Amino acid sequence: KNEVEQSPQNLTAQEGEFITINCSYSVGISALHWLQQHPGGGIVSLFMLSSGKKKHGRLIATINIQEKHSSLHITASHPRDSAVYICAVSGDSNYQLIWGAGTKLIIKP
Amino acid sequence: KAGVTQTPRYLIKTRGQQVTLSCSPISGHRSVSWYQQTPGQGLQFLFEYFSETQRNKGNFPGRFSGRQFSNSRSEMNVSTLELGDSALYLCASSFISSRNTEAFFGQGTRLTVV
Repeated sequence: KNEVEQSPQNLTAQEGEFITINCSYSVGISALHWLQQHPGGGIVSLFMLSSGKKKHGRLIATINIQEKHSSLHITASHPRDSAVYICAVSGDSNYQLIWGAGTKLIIKP
Repeated sequence: KAGVTQTPRYLIKTRGQQVTLSCSPISGHRSVSWYQQTPGQGLQFLFEYFSETQRNKGNFPGRFSGRQFSNSRSEMNVSTLELGDSALYLCASSFISSRNTEAFFGQGTRLTVV
């Protein structure tokens, strides 16, 4: 079993829909990161959080430390949101990031 | 301020050759981490440098090495290239070497070994 599990693996939705991507982890963490990767490779850090909720524009990230679960929400989705969204955690015993497999999101116009 | 810069963006090498990739972190950042991304294995940690010292290392063979210079720029080197080394190599910089520090990623170097 992977230490960081994301669901769904693939998600196709219509423009305007509310999107939720989930991340569960099994290790102790000091922080959880949500990242976005567009075709071509570059990765952009969306959020880093260790408790509660953060919001940036149409993106919202929440984390429940007790349940070891985080969600990334996209409101009023747009085709430009199409990308791979990756959840990664910073373990509480080392510096490296432990990565989820990613969720490929396609938003159709 | 300028983001993380990786050069080159694309590279084609033949088996047995060696390759050097470069990463210039955001100005003021002292920590640089390297990751390999392949379709089969996903993102895997290679190593992290902070103030010219390797702080952490992933499970990669000795053919993979790196270093960091006094200006925080980092290079990674892969010797005796194998076909399986074909991947996107990503570099991330952060201000300090800490588990709670946000990392900023470069665009990556796509290496193809033929």
